[in-house]
Amino acid sequence: GGIITQTPKFLIGQEGQKLTLKCQQNFNHDTMYWYRQDSGKGLRLIYYSITENDLQKGDLSEGYDASREKKSSFSLTVTSAQKNEMAVFLCASSPGTDNNQAPLFGEGTRLSVL
Amino acid sequence: GDSVTQTEGPVTLSEGTSLTVNCSYETKQYPTLFWYVQYPGEGPQLLFKVPKANEKGSNRGFEATYNKEATSFHLQKASVQESDSAVYYCALSADTNAYKVIFGKGTHLHVLP
Repeated sequence: GGIITQTPKFLIGQEGQKLTLKCQQNFNHDTMYWYRQDSGKGLRLIYYSITENDLQKGDLSEGYDASREKKSSFSLTVTSAQKNEMAVFLCASSPGTDNNQAPLFGEGTRLSVL
Repeated sequence: GDSVTQTEGPVTLSEGTSLTVNCSYETKQYPTLFWYVQYPGEGPQLLFKVPKANEKGSNRGFEATYNKEATSFHLQKASVQESDSAVYYCALSADTNAYKVIFGKGTHLHVLP
């Protein structure tokens, strides 16, 4: 079986800081995702990538950059952390071969901004 | 754009009672529909998916029918257990862009012993 590894598990940042979150998968999946999870707002799609070096914006891409330099890894950068921001960032991957996409999720990175 | 609307939580039930979590969707396409479950400290995990209209998905006693006419995909379980306490997410991917998976806001279920 495979695994999705997100690092770090916990991230504390300062207002205005640029923060990078990393995700690795060993399923050999083509498609990878970044979602943001906030209490009461569910999962909102930030970026996704259907293959190496591809990037697609989701509904919440403003304020974020992403990078897919290898098939197995997908990074997300918060370009300027907002004061008192608290959220969980979830990475996911899927085979990306047909309409029956079912993303598999990592355990998340929990962000707190002081 | 595409969207998913589900029962606002939290939902609190006693063990042994029945569960219904409503899910409605909006899309101009022909979606695949999903239910996910998330336990504390973990990422969401797939409960089941249904790619075709009028078909039913099921897993661990949970089930939902893809109702294209009503654009609904309600989650049901006849008898909940304390271990079912979790957050449940309804989601869709449209056939014109199957890579983009859209989730609802989630429904937090508490089951009392």
